Amino acid sequence: AQTVTQSQPEMSVQEAETVTLSCTYDTSENNYYLFWYKQPPSRQMILVIRQEAYKQQNATENRFSVNFQKAAKSFSLKISDSQLGDTAMYFCAFMKQSSGTYKYIFGTGTRLKVLA
Amino acid sequence: DVKVTQSSRYLVKRTGEKVFLECVQDMDHENMFWYRQDPGLGLRLIYFSYDVKMKEKGDIPEGYSVSREKKERFSLILESASTNQTSMYLCASSYLGTWGADTQYFGPGTRLTVL
Repeated sequence: AQTVTQSQPEMSVQEAETVTLSCTYDTSENNYYLFWYKQPPSRQMILVIRQEAYKQQNATENRFSVNFQKAAKSFSLKISDSQLGDTAMYFCAFMKQSSGTYKYIFGTGTRLKVLA
Repeated sequence: DVKVTQSSRYLVKRTGEKVFLECVQDMDHENMFWYRQDPGLGLRLIYFSYDVKMKEKGDIPEGYSVSREKKERFSLILESASTNQTSMYLCASSYLGTWGADTQYFGPGTRLTVL
């Protein structure tokens, strides 16, 4: 069975600094997607970044980038130039399709606080 | 922009009541999902649906049922609410992509308290 582990329940970072959130997963699949979602306080969860497992190049979205290590089953999120609006719960997620059904597995989340 | 709405942000019910949580999406997505979110446990999938009148059990379907009579609407039903169903409930939707389901779009959540 697939699992997703986020080992850092809480983190903090100073505004304008860089922070890395870790995520590891366990699967025997070769084709799958990985996601980072952000849930700001009392607001809707939104996608931050996604990575297709067959792509070797790490995904980037402005200040957000990932370090995808397929062999190590690691998918960390780096936030550069942290802003107060980055304060949120961050969830790592794994998804695969199999025989018409979809399997999404979420980690337990990392609560990030950006300090002024 | 994709919009996923949920019928209530906060809901308080009594043990044994029948509870309906509704979710509506406006982007013609094939897939819709219900999750519950609990501290320290992340998001856990209750049910999902990939088409009208179709449903699949997720990881924790016990005590819940779902209904999808129209493509845009997906309802979660608690037949007889219990205190251990106190939680945040999140609805999500996604396209049915050529490879598989794409990014999920989430609603604002319903915080349900069962007394």
